[in-house]
Amino acid sequence: DIVMTQSPESLAVSLGERATINCKSSQSVLYSSTNKNYLAWYQQKPGQPPKLLIYWASTRESGVPDRFSGSGSGTNFTLTISSLRAEDVAVYYCHQFFSGLFTFGPGTKVDIK
Amino acid sequence: QLQLQESGPGLVKPSETLSLTCTVSVGSISDSNYFWGWIRQPPGKGLEWIGNIYYNDNTYYHPSLKSRVTISVDSSRKQLSLKLNSVTAADTAVYYCARGNYEFWSGYGMANWFEHWGQGTLVTVSS
Repeated sequence: DIVMTQSPESLAVSLGERATINCKSSQSVLYSSTNKNYLAWYQQKPGQPPKLLIYWASTRESGVPDRFSGSGSGTNFTLTISSLRAEDVAVYYCHQFFSGLFTFGPGTKVDIK
Repeated sequence: QLQLQESGPGLVKPSETLSLTCTVSVGSISDSNYFWGWIRQPPGKGLEWIGNIYYNDNTYYHPSLKSRVTISVDSSRKQLSLKLNSVTAADTAVYYCARGNYEFWSGYGMANWFEHWGQGTLVTVSS
């Protein structure tokens, strides 16, 4: 299995400031034939299902605000919220779909400082 | 607008079988542009992938659940089902169904991200 780790476990950021979440995979999720990273990011607010934010590591899903961005390749990835808003309080998960056996990261909780 | 609705018993006794259904509101459940999956989330914990089913009825399951889980599709009813047998308290979780993006590359099918999720249903395993 590809093991996904995330850091930090939680972070508190002031409104308007930048939040950065890291995700690492135990093996590369870059598929050489397509030159795409098979990684997605989801946002989960309390009592709600996860919502897709980013796929292919850096492509924003339709309707997702541009303050959310994804970067990275291979085994190291980052989700950045450029200017935190109150509605961004949530848990964020990375997800690899490189392997047919999917795995999720443990999640990073983002709060307001 | 696609809606996925999970349904089933909220309480299951230990050693019995957990059975859930996910009803798809729009489109064909057999569309080869998509695949279907089940994911669960124990209370206060993270997401755990259970398994996927593809347009050709092929399935992939989490290795630790493979011996106990069955995912199937009823296209005529537009329903996805999950059966998990011999449950224990560790199977207590919110269970989500989800639709994923599926693509073909050089003749191979590739399951990608989950783009739509149901609201989830809590299943408690307790006597």
